[in-house]
Amino acid sequence: SQTIHQWPATLVQPVGSPLSLECTVEGTSNPNLYWYRQAAGRGLQLLFYSVGIGQISSEVPQNLSASRPQDRQFILSSKKLLLSDSGFYLCAWRSSYSGANVLTFGAGSRLTVL
Amino acid sequence: KQEVTQIPAALSVPEGENLVLNCSFTDSAIYNLQWFRQDPGKGLTSLLLIQSSQREQTSGRLNASLDKSSGRSTLYIAASQPGDSATYLCAALSSGSARQLTFGSGTQLTVLP
Repeated sequence: SQTIHQWPATLVQPVGSPLSLECTVEGTSNPNLYWYRQAAGRGLQLLFYSVGIGQISSEVPQNLSASRPQDRQFILSSKKLLLSDSGFYLCAWRSSYSGANVLTFGAGSRLTVL
Repeated sequence: KQEVTQIPAALSVPEGENLVLNCSFTDSAIYNLQWFRQDPGKGLTSLLLIQSSQREQTSGRLNASLDKSSGRSTLYIAASQPGDSATYLCAALSSGSARQLTFGSGTQLTVLP
């Protein structure tokens, strides 16, 4: 069976510090991968998605970047965090099979920037 | 670009009451619509998924309907319980190649004992 892991689950970082959130998927190959953010009082917003290694699409301009160094690994990064980067970050995956229409989410990473 | 709206933003009901949560979307070219539950500080729990060819799905006390032509979905909760208190999110899966899921901002439900 497929599983998705995110870490760390909780992170408190000072403004200006770097960030790295990691997401891995097990039990499948060549998944489509997604990063979403949920800011306080707002809905879930798609940040990045990837259909393959090294292929990243950004949905919104921001202080963050994403990378996919391996087939089942998706990393969300920042060189210098802003207060506005605080939020709940969710990784999700979907089978690349054309008929697959369900996204499965990880448990999330809560980031607080102070 | 798909936009998903949920009304009301918050709802408080006494235990035992039946209730309806509303979701609307602007682009009817969707593959499916999904309802999630989110408890405070937690991730998403998938409740019901309705394929674009379906009209409704049921799971226990939950029933979700989909009307693609009008761009609407509803989540009906029967005989509400305090344990149903959570934020309910609806999300529409687009028909693009990346199959992006667009979320509404949620309805925060409180069921009073």
